[in-house]
Amino acid sequence: DTEVTQTPKHLVMGMTNKKSLKCEQHMGHRAMYWYKQKAKKPPELMFVYSYEKLSINESVPSRFSPECPNSSLLNLHLHALQPEDSALYLCASSQERTVNTEAFFGQGTRLTVV
Amino acid sequence: DQQVKQNSPSLSVQEGRISILNCDYTNSMFDYFLWYKKYPAEGPTFLISISSIKDKNEDGRFTVFLNKSAKHLSLHIVPSQPGDSAVYFCAASAAGGGGADGLTFGKGTHLIIQP
Repeated sequence: DTEVTQTPKHLVMGMTNKKSLKCEQHMGHRAMYWYKQKAKKPPELMFVYSYEKLSINESVPSRFSPECPNSSLLNLHLHALQPEDSALYLCASSQERTVNTEAFFGQGTRLTVV
Repeated sequence: DQQVKQNSPSLSVQEGRISILNCDYTNSMFDYFLWYKKYPAEGPTFLISISSIKDKNEDGRFTVFLNKSAKHLSLHIVPSQPGDSAVYFCAASAAGGGGADGLTFGKGTHLIIQP
């Protein structure tokens, strides 16, 4: 099983809403990531979790709040987003942060902020 | 400053011929390189990777070549098939990186396989 599952697939939210994106993997991977991808651009790293601890926060605004409840789950809590935050949000996982190996991506959540 | 560059936004290849996608990088710390394939509105799908200690890695129709001195890698697909039409991203990670300290992606090359 090399699957990373993201829910929901699509999300439309107002600027005053609070919502959460969810990501799940059962490959025993200990590193998990959030990426943001705008149209016709490459994915950009937002957060890295290693062994359920936040390792990297790439200067992401506080309206994005990650959470790693356990080794299989990764959430991204959204609050007071702006229309420019509309994008495809991708979750990924890899075996370990310190081991060179491929990262597996989920299908993404297409977020539209209105 | 782009650390991973894919200078061809698109590439058109006839079915059955070889597709060659190129990627250049500037960060000497990168030691692991990956190619991902992406369809619209889907997440990237891992294709093939190569460590900096190798200069070639092959998996079925896909071969990746790495030229460290030139900081250049390429993905060869042979023979090209219609299902190969997608955007291909080159990605790299630094020492100890793995999936890693995250991956640094190029802008992608849209490969179009013509019948």
